[in-house]
Amino acid sequence: GESVGLHLPTLSVQEGDNSIINCAYSNSASDYFIWYKQESGKGPQFIIDIRSNMDKRQGQRVTVLLNKTVKHLSLQIAATQPGDSAVYFCAETGGATNKLIFGTGTLLAVQP
Amino acid sequence: GAVVSQHPSRVICKSGTSVKIECRSLDFQATTMFWYRQFPKQSLMLMATSNEGSKATYEQGVEKDKFLINHASLTLSTLTVTSAHPEDSSFYICSASPATSQETQYFGPGTRLLVL
Repeated sequence: GESVGLHLPTLSVQEGDNSIINCAYSNSASDYFIWYKQESGKGPQFIIDIRSNMDKRQGQRVTVLLNKTVKHLSLQIAATQPGDSAVYFCAETGGATNKLIFGTGTLLAVQP
Repeated sequence: GAVVSQHPSRVICKSGTSVKIECRSLDFQATTMFWYRQFPKQSLMLMATSNEGSKATYEQGVEKDKFLINHASLTLSTLTVTSAHPEDSSFYICSASPATSQETQYFGPGTRLLVL
């Protein structure tokens, strides 16, 4: 299930299940979106990206969906594995600068 | 390719001292580097953007005299936390954007700073 902690929402799934992590972005002018995975004590690692002229993009075991109408982004992970356990952040950018704005993050806990 | 390193990975210092953190792009030239701070169980917060050869642009609420940023070459940016205090203890992460793809940011592994 999904729960909200003090700062970080947590999604707990069983190994082998599919995971869906959601993100609401803030700026309707953003035109490029990225999902990052961050393991404990490490820097963010790029997973997948999508531009605003698309609504779906697939990678290996991951799919990103973009709904610009409601400013919503989701990351789907198929057949979740213990190695997928990490914090996942969405980030948005666009406009005159290349600054990334990070979402709150979701902790994905995969139960064996 | 596209590797970014940070040094040191961890540092413990006494209150009042200054700490320098280095960020290097190892196999590409970075026209822009970014510095982020991350507190436990929180997201990354952008502190400043630095372009090679020019002054850094700081985000609102970030003291430029406390967090000195130097981007002297296309492969190196440094962040100096001056007169560090316990509240400066955090995880500092840099990222670098290559000239060929300025919307892309490659992240370093982070530096854990603990101020006693």
